[in-house]
Amino acid sequence: DIVMTQSPDSLAVSLGERASINCKSSQSVLYSPNSKDYLAWYQQKPGQSPKLLFYWASTRESGVPDRFSGSGSGTDFTLTINSLQAEDVAVYYCQQYYTQHPTFGGGTRVEI
Amino acid sequence: EVQLVESGGGLVQPGGSLRLSCAVSGFTFSSFNMNWVRRAPGKGLEWISYIGTYSGTTYYADSVQGRFTISRDNAKNSLYLQMNSLRDEDTGVYYCARDQGYCRRSTCYPYHFDLWGQGTLVTVSS
Repeated sequence: DIVMTQSPDSLAVSLGERASINCKSSQSVLYSPNSKDYLAWYQQKPGQSPKLLFYWASTRESGVPDRFSGSGSGTDFTLTINSLQAEDVAVYYCQQYYTQHPTFGGGTRVEI
Repeated sequence: EVQLVESGGGLVQPGGSLRLSCAVSGFTFSSFNMNWVRRAPGKGLEWISYIGTYSGTTYYADSVQGRFTISRDNAKNSLYLQMNSLRDEDTGVYYCARDQGYCRRSTCYPYHFDLWGQGTLVTVSS
């Protein structure tokens, strides 16, 4: 299975500042025939179920604020939260779906 | 309203069995592939199983292969997870999740999970 490694495990960011979360896959999740990265990002707030933020590495799911952005390709990806809001406190996960056994990163906890 | 509602969780002894259900409403269940994902206490998300639209294709994580069985009843808009030979490490919140992938012939391709249920807690302990 592809191993997804996130960093850092947790980070504290001041309100209005930027948070960056990294995700590295043990092998490329870029599918050359369609030039798509099979990578998604999720947000899980305390006491809630996960919520899809991005797919294809950078395609924003409907309703996700544009202060969130996804970037990267191949094996290295980044989720960026610009101007952090109090409601962004959550654990964030990356997930690869390049193989038929999807795998998640270990999660990054974002705190104020 | 689009909803996925899990049920069936509870306390079970090691070696025991449990059957989880996920009742779906608000979309055409038979058109979507589905997954089960869990989150153990203090840990991250773990994908554990996938089923194609017409049950012909299933995938399992190594950690549950041979012990868990995923199934669906499209007429009842329901997804199931039969869990046998439960272990302490199976403790966690179990979520059903809708998949945006597709199947071609007998091969399916899981994609991202765009809808999740609220989860049901499974506790394996003596």
